[in-house]
Amino acid sequence: KQEVTQIPAALSVPEGENLVLNCSFTDSAIYNLQWFRQDPGKGLTSLLLIQSSQREQTSGRLNASLDKSSGRSTLYIAASQPGDSATYLCAFRGGYNKLIFGAGTRLAVHP
Amino acid sequence: NAGVMQNPRHLVRRRGQEARLRCSPMKGHSHVYWYRQLPEEGLKFMVYLQKENIIDESGMPKERFSAEFPKEGPSILRIQQVVRGDSAAYFCASSPRDEDPYTGELFFGEGSRLTVL
Repeated sequence: KQEVTQIPAALSVPEGENLVLNCSFTDSAIYNLQWFRQDPGKGLTSLLLIQSSQREQTSGRLNASLDKSSGRSTLYIAASQPGDSATYLCAFRGGYNKLIFGAGTRLAVHP
Repeated sequence: NAGVMQNPRHLVRRRGQEARLRCSPMKGHSHVYWYRQLPEEGLKFMVYLQKENIIDESGMPKERFSAEFPKEGPSILRIQQVVRGDSAAYFCASSPRDEDPYTGELFFGEGSRLTVL
């Protein structure tokens, strides 16, 4: 059974810090891994998608890496801003045609 | 190109009533997924459908829940005889017709929040 774990569960930082959010998965047969952002009471916004053949993806201040051998992905947020405050979810697609989500990391960036 | 559209955004039902949630995928998308998010929990897969076919319903409760994606019209998630434990946010996602369902990116709607009194 695939499991996706996100650490830390919650994070509170001052504005301007560089952040690392961690995601680990138990099944090495991965097709891709997708990072999402969810604001309270809202839907999911896709941030980055990393296919199994890729090692990282970048979008603006966000960089996501994928290490299949260790079963880990990290989301790096550079120069954090209060507008980055949200819950960040990683989702694993393994041997099934569906995403398995972690419980998320709740991020609060204060001015 | 509108995103994934879900309605209603909020739905209140009394115990025993029926809830119908609708999802219109993005234009050109023929793969639809339903997920449920219970309060303070992560998203859990429920069902994966293509037009007129249920591909994987391994996450659906065995009773009271059903889903369809007809040839015309939106996908429907139907919950019969709702109970308080059904209160949750129900999210729909879609991915493009031509993409490999194992690697295509999923795009999510804003969700439908069901409250059972």
